[in-house]
Amino acid sequence: KAGVTQTPRYLIKTRGQQVTLSCSPISGHRSVSWYQQTPGQGLQFLFEYFSETQRNKGNFPGRFSGRQFSNSRSEMNVSTLELGDSALYLCASSLGLRDSSYEQYFGPGTRLTVT
Amino acid sequence: QKEVEQNSGPLSVPEGAIASLNCTYSDRGSQSFFWYRQYSGKSPELIMFIYSNGDKEDGRFTAQLNKASQYVSLLIRDSQPSDSATYLCAVRTSGGSYIPTFGRGTSLIVHP
Repeated sequence: KAGVTQTPRYLIKTRGQQVTLSCSPISGHRSVSWYQQTPGQGLQFLFEYFSETQRNKGNFPGRFSGRQFSNSRSEMNVSTLELGDSALYLCASSLGLRDSSYEQYFGPGTRLTVT
Repeated sequence: QKEVEQNSGPLSVPEGAIASLNCTYSDRGSQSFFWYRQYSGKSPELIMFIYSNGDKEDGRFTAQLNKASQYVSLLIRDSQPSDSATYLCAVRTSGGSYIPTFGRGTSLIVHP
């Protein structure tokens, strides 16, 4: 079974620009979660999508948004980039079922650098 | 506020020794517990999960769960330099959010 894929792997953007990141989950997984990881803050939860609906949301400003398509692929968008948005953005895939254990499998991440 | 606490380390152990990584959590309703390994510059990799009190073994790894004391630990036997990484503990409660809460991780260094 193929793992979680994320594109692009690396991005360099300028302050004020916007960026879109993509994630394809493991086949059969309907939940996609997005995390931001920085050395100072650790792994911070952004939001989770399940069956095309945002099911959970972390404490990030509205500049961070996402969506999920009918094939479970997900995109994350960050508008008006700030220097502090430089981070590793991770996507995690899970079955997402209520009674499941909820193991999450991470993709390789997208390294975003904002200059 | 659900919290998951880990000692940031680094924990330094000699090759061949047992490395013991600990994690405590605040939410008594927690049901699922996960250990991830993250090499520098890479993404987290799920290595163990445990749901019931007691021990769960998988190769050189043993996860130990004590719900009464609200801690979960990971033992790595016969530690190898390739085990040097940051180990993240994640905890999920039974209701409400489906999302596990992650600790900040413990850095493990296995020296030859």
